[in-house]
Amino acid sequence: AQKVTQAQTEISVVEKEDVTLDCVYETRDTTYYLFWYKQPPSGELVFLIRRNSFDEQNEISGRYSWNFQKSTSSFNFTITASQVVDSAVYFCALSEAGDSNYQLIWGAGTKLIIKP
Amino acid sequence: KAGVTQTPRYLIKTRGQQVTLSCSPISGHRSVSWYQQTPGQGLQFLFEYFSETQRNKGNFPGRFSGRQFSNSRSEMNVSTLELGDSALYLCASSLALGEEETQYFGPGTRLLVL
Repeated sequence: AQKVTQAQTEISVVEKEDVTLDCVYETRDTTYYLFWYKQPPSGELVFLIRRNSFDEQNEISGRYSWNFQKSTSSFNFTITASQVVDSAVYFCALSEAGDSNYQLIWGAGTKLIIKP
Repeated sequence: KAGVTQTPRYLIKTRGQQVTLSCSPISGHRSVSWYQQTPGQGLQFLFEYFSETQRNKGNFPGRFSGRQFSNSRSEMNVSTLELGDSALYLCASSLALGEEETQYFGPGTRLLVL
């Protein structure tokens, strides 16, 4: 069965510190997709990144970077030089190919608090 | 390009009533998915529609239903409301042109059942 685990319920850091959010997934499919979304207090889920199972290249986008390792079934997210505006709940999600492609399986989320 | 819109944004109902929520996808998007978010259960998939057909359904009782219109707009209906139906209901749309699809979310409808 598919499952996404975000073991960190809440993380609190001081502004400008680096922070890594962990995501571990389970799936039997060989083709699958991993996502990170940000949910600010307003409630709207904001798409951050999508990665397919065949692309293990790490990705960097500004202060954000993602480390995908199939060997450990992990897709971790790092924010460098964190800012107060990064405070939000971050969700990792999984979808599988085929008919289930449009069904996202979600982690429980990690609440990130950036203190000034 | 306008994003996903959901109406109403907030709703208060009483037990036993029914409710209809609306979602307008991003222009050109053909797939609409619905999710329920609660503090206890987190984010859970309700169903997904494509070309007016329900393609996938999550593990929710039959009180939860939905439909999609020819213009891709979607509605979800919850009948005989229970206190536990209080949640944020999120709608997402995607192009549905290939395997690597990204879902873009609306602001959600906050439903409170009293």
